[in-house]
Amino acid sequence: GAGVSQSPSNKVTEKGKDVELRCDPISGHTALYWYRQRLGQGLEFLIYFQGNSAPDKSGLPSDRFSAERTGESVSTLTIQRTQQEDSAVYLCASSLGWNTGELFFGEGSRLTVL
Amino acid sequence: QKEVEQNSGPLSVPEGAIASLNCTYSDRGSQSFFWYRQYSGKSPELIMSIYSNGDKEDGRFTAQLNKASQYVSLLIRDSQPSDSATYLCAFQRGRGADGLTFGKGTHLIIQP
Repeated sequence: GAGVSQSPSNKVTEKGKDVELRCDPISGHTALYWYRQRLGQGLEFLIYFQGNSAPDKSGLPSDRFSAERTGESVSTLTIQRTQQEDSAVYLCASSLGWNTGELFFGEGSRLTVL
Repeated sequence: QKEVEQNSGPLSVPEGAIASLNCTYSDRGSQSFFWYRQYSGKSPELIMSIYSNGDKEDGRFTAQLNKASQYVSLLIRDSQPSDSATYLCAFQRGRGADGLTFGKGTHLIIQP
């Protein structure tokens, strides 16, 4: 596909369970970002990958959150022992490089923790 | 301290009028500025980028940047109901997401 692809689009889980969210960036985009957006709120930066460089994890809210990316391909965001406050839309975006703020967003993964 | 301030609105504008959205930022090292549009239940999409002082026009949209006063604005001419959305401003210092900061957005409503 031509755009950023995220899965699942919706995930309902019970408190304490682990969840994994997937992002497939636009082909050729070396930079990949994860954001969190709670209902009615702005975008909260989580983590950023640029090529094979060490990721910028400065936005991860706790050690329950982790993300991986292999090369310039798919990324997974993992949330362990989910809490109700983790309920949000998790947005992935990619861009051509680290020095551009022109991001292309996926449709998001809506996470609901019961 | 990196901050961006936007009036959350809602900002109500009659159809056909000019909608004016404003954003101020505190990081004087910011170099690049962006306006994203987010429809309800959808993801943000880039509509304008501006890198130097002055105006940049693209169709019905004009972005204005004043680095000395640390503000960036977006004007939408001939507003249409389809322009109703939340508009997010964002700025970047120059390296990766660490410098890309989003405002909380202004909710714009175009009244038919």
